[in-house]
Amino acid sequence: QQQVKQSPQSLIVQKGGISIINCAYENTAFDYFPWYQQFPGKGPALLIAIRPDVSEKKEGRFTISFNKSAKQFSLHIMDSQPGDSATYFCAASTQQNQGGKLIFGQGTELSVKP
Amino acid sequence: GAGVSQSPRYKVTKRGQDVALRCDPISGHVSLYWYRQALGQGPEFLTYFNYEAQQDKSGLPNDRFSAERPEGSISTLTIQRTEQRDSAMYRCASSIDSGQGREQYFGPGTRLTVT
Repeated sequence: QQQVKQSPQSLIVQKGGISIINCAYENTAFDYFPWYQQFPGKGPALLIAIRPDVSEKKEGRFTISFNKSAKQFSLHIMDSQPGDSATYFCAASTQQNQGGKLIFGQGTELSVKP
Repeated sequence: GAGVSQSPRYKVTKRGQDVALRCDPISGHVSLYWYRQALGQGPEFLTYFNYEAQQDKSGLPNDRFSAERPEGSISTLTIQRTEQRDSAMYRCASSIDSGQGREQYFGPGTRLTVT
């Protein structure tokens, strides 16, 4: 019930295209859903996050879509650029008795071709 | 401002030795988290602190692993009698708190190799 399942494992997109990464969870107590971007040799960097009281959040080219009833959320990268090539992790946490520890998905390696 | 820092960045040790990994969180951040990240995987929770109190250590693999944060700032993760399976990237993160201010910021990590 603590798992967060992420797909696809890898993704190749042409420059200018839309990258879509999906995550699903089971624990209905999760109330915070961040996405992290990680470049090789670096630590995960917080990209964008959403709470379940909204269905969508947009920051620049990055959008999170959230479907509470389906227990799914996704990251959309519009106008994908070669500089977006990185590994993306979704995560989830709950404040209930767990102090906000993050449960991460397995990661998606995104490659944007010029 | 300064982000989360970790030291050493790389540590090579022989099996059976003890190692201590250090994390210096963002100034003013109450909550501090330790994770372990295997190659190609997402970080896996180990333990976390609010101020100096260890609130959850459910992710520590066994009793060879321990952590402390005695003054509510810098934290040390200690692994005793290291084994090869302990080889991984150890990451520290901090957040303003563990409630509404829950955004976690990660450090660069310590790459531990046990030979």
